[in-house]
Amino acid sequence: DAGVIQSPRHEVTEMGQEVTLRCKPISGHDYLFWYRQTMMRGLELLIYFNNNVPIDDSGMPEDRFSAKMPNASFSTLKIQPSEPRDSAVYFCASSNRWEKLFFGSGTQLSVL
Amino acid sequence: EDQVTQSPEALRLQEGESSSLNCSYTVSGLRGLFWYRQDPGKGPEFLFTLYSAGEEKEKERLKATLTKKESFLHITAPKPEDSATYLCAVQDTGRRALTFGSGTRLQVQP
Repeated sequence: DAGVIQSPRHEVTEMGQEVTLRCKPISGHDYLFWYRQTMMRGLELLIYFNNNVPIDDSGMPEDRFSAKMPNASFSTLKIQPSEPRDSAVYFCASSNRWEKLFFGSGTQLSVL
Repeated sequence: EDQVTQSPEALRLQEGESSSLNCSYTVSGLRGLFWYRQDPGKGPEFLFTLYSAGEEKEKERLKATLTKKESFLHITAPKPEDSATYLCAVQDTGRRALTFGSGTRLQVQP
């Protein structure tokens, strides 16, 4: 298995632009998580899905952030409009058990 | 609210010099405590899960232990390839997602 696949690896954009991050979970996993990592705040949960349904989105910073999971093999995290404070590494993780999360390599987002 | 505090923030060891990393936590009910390793430019990689006080898990030069308030990751005779950031996370019985600490950056010098 190729593991959790995220794209793009790096994204540089200007403030106000729309950003879309993509994730392909490991086949057969029924949980998908989006985390954000910064030096100041560490790893923070943004949202997670179970069987494609959003379960907990309490970590989504504000209405500028949205996430979808149209099917079991694909999820997106969208930021519109983007702001410099959104600059971070965004990780996607998947699991079919309640403890062992498999993380992707992350998307390094820089908003200028 | 679940809280996880890791110390020290950074640790530099000589090859072969054993040490311990600390993870203190506060949860309403602990379902599990997890240790992950993160290399630069990569996502965290699972190491251990501990479920109850007194439990221990080992993997190569690493041993994780758990009490009711904290966990330790003991590194015995470390090698340069053990250099990484080690993350601790807890899962509350009332919540599926993990709450992570800020990590300990370990550097092992040859």
